[in-house]
Amino acid sequence: KAGVTQTPRYLIKTRGQQVTLSCSPISGHRSVSWYQQTPGQGLQFLFEYFSETQRNKGNFPGRFSGRQFSNSRSEMNVSTLELGDSALYLCASSLKAGAVTDTQYFGPGTRLTVL
Amino acid sequence: AQKVTQAQTEISVVEKEDVTLDCVYETRDTTYYLFWYKQPPSGELVFLIRRNSFDEQNEISGRYSWNFQKSTSSFNFTITASQVVDSAVYFCALTLSGGGADGLTFGKGTHLIIQP
Repeated sequence: KAGVTQTPRYLIKTRGQQVTLSCSPISGHRSVSWYQQTPGQGLQFLFEYFSETQRNKGNFPGRFSGRQFSNSRSEMNVSTLELGDSALYLCASSLKAGAVTDTQYFGPGTRLTVL
Repeated sequence: AQKVTQAQTEISVVEKEDVTLDCVYETRDTTYYLFWYKQPPSGELVFLIRRNSFDEQNEISGRYSWNFQKSTSSFNFTITASQVVDSAVYFCALTLSGGGADGLTFGKGTHLIIQP
């Protein structure tokens, strides 16, 4: 069974631009969560989608948004990029909603660099 | 709010040595789940174990073992007879049951270096 896939793997943008990252969950998984990993703040929860609905959201500004499609694929969008948005963005999928009810399996991440 | 502390930023040992990675957590909830993930240089987080707060039994899986002690709020991870392939960053994480943000709260990670 294929794992979680994320595209693109690497991305370079400049301040003020916007970016869209994509995540395809493991087949049959309906929940997708997004995390940001930076050297300073570590791994932080962004949001979770289940059945095309955002269930939960971490403590991030409104510039960070996402959506989920009927095939469970998810996209994350960051508008008006700032230097501090440079990070590894990890996507995780699970069968059921929430890290409580089911184990999350992670993809390889998208490395975003903002110049 | 919950918190996970991994006090060991980096550990370096020689192959075949045993090594223990510490994890201390804070939460006011009585029902919670603890996890360990491994992050090799490729970046992908690899799931190792999940444990709920009502199950204090220690667990062994091959060379890996986990010691969960609610009395000290610790969930430590031991690798026996370490191998070079064990080199990675290891994260301990916590999530709560009930409403609110269900995401994982991660520790800062421990970078484990196994020298040949």
